Amino acid sequence: QKEVEQDPGPLSVPEGAIVSLNCTYSNSAFQYFMWYRQYSRKGPELLMYTYSSGNKEDGRFTAQVDKSSKYISLFIRDSQPSDSATYLCAMSRFPNAGGTSYGKLTFGQGTILTVHP
Amino acid sequence: GAVVSQHPSWVICKSGTSVKIECRSLDFQATTMFWYRQFPKQSLMLMATSNEGSKATYEQGVEKDKFLINHASLTLSTLTVTSAHPEDSSFYICSASLLAGTETQYFGPGTRLLVL
Repeated sequence: QKEVEQDPGPLSVPEGAIVSLNCTYSNSAFQYFMWYRQYSRKGPELLMYTYSSGNKEDGRFTAQVDKSSKYISLFIRDSQPSDSATYLCAMSRFPNAGGTSYGKLTFGQGTILTVHP
Repeated sequence: GAVVSQHPSWVICKSGTSVKIECRSLDFQATTMFWYRQFPKQSLMLMATSNEGSKATYEQGVEKDKFLINHASLTLSTLTVTSAHPEDSSFYICSASLLAGTETQYFGPGTRLLVL
């Protein structure tokens, strides 16, 4: 079983729709949760960063973390064709005991999203 | 802020040659830099973690003698693919963590390597 599971899709929605992307994980040591957007042939771009359980909103994007269920979500409101990309969830543990950032990320497989006009 | 650059953006080389890829954090100091490779329609696979001034930590299955990593300063890390072969053709991406110790990684734009 992978540490992080993400449905690869592909997911196709009409412009203006609300998009829901999800990841589940098995390791309770994960404390930091991130969503990245990756356009074709480009590096991932950080969209959202959350620590522990709760919600975080930034414009059209809302990230939710439910640590009790080991489940994270990203919602995109009023989706646009420019949102078409691969969305990767990622998570990491606390830094090591020395205080320096270990920061190793564990990624989901990525969900391919297409928003059509 | 938090911009990471990579050079070159793409490279084509003959089998048996070595290729060096540079990763720079442009507007911040990076305690740690990471190197990933990504095959088409797959997620990122971590190859190694690089800390300034120390040896890189390689993931299981990654040959350290083939993928040489040098982290000479807080803003520069290099990955050298030695004696490249066609199976090394891939998309190589670096990332960097801020000095403040956040867990966020900022990614470079990637380098596409094609070995003929």
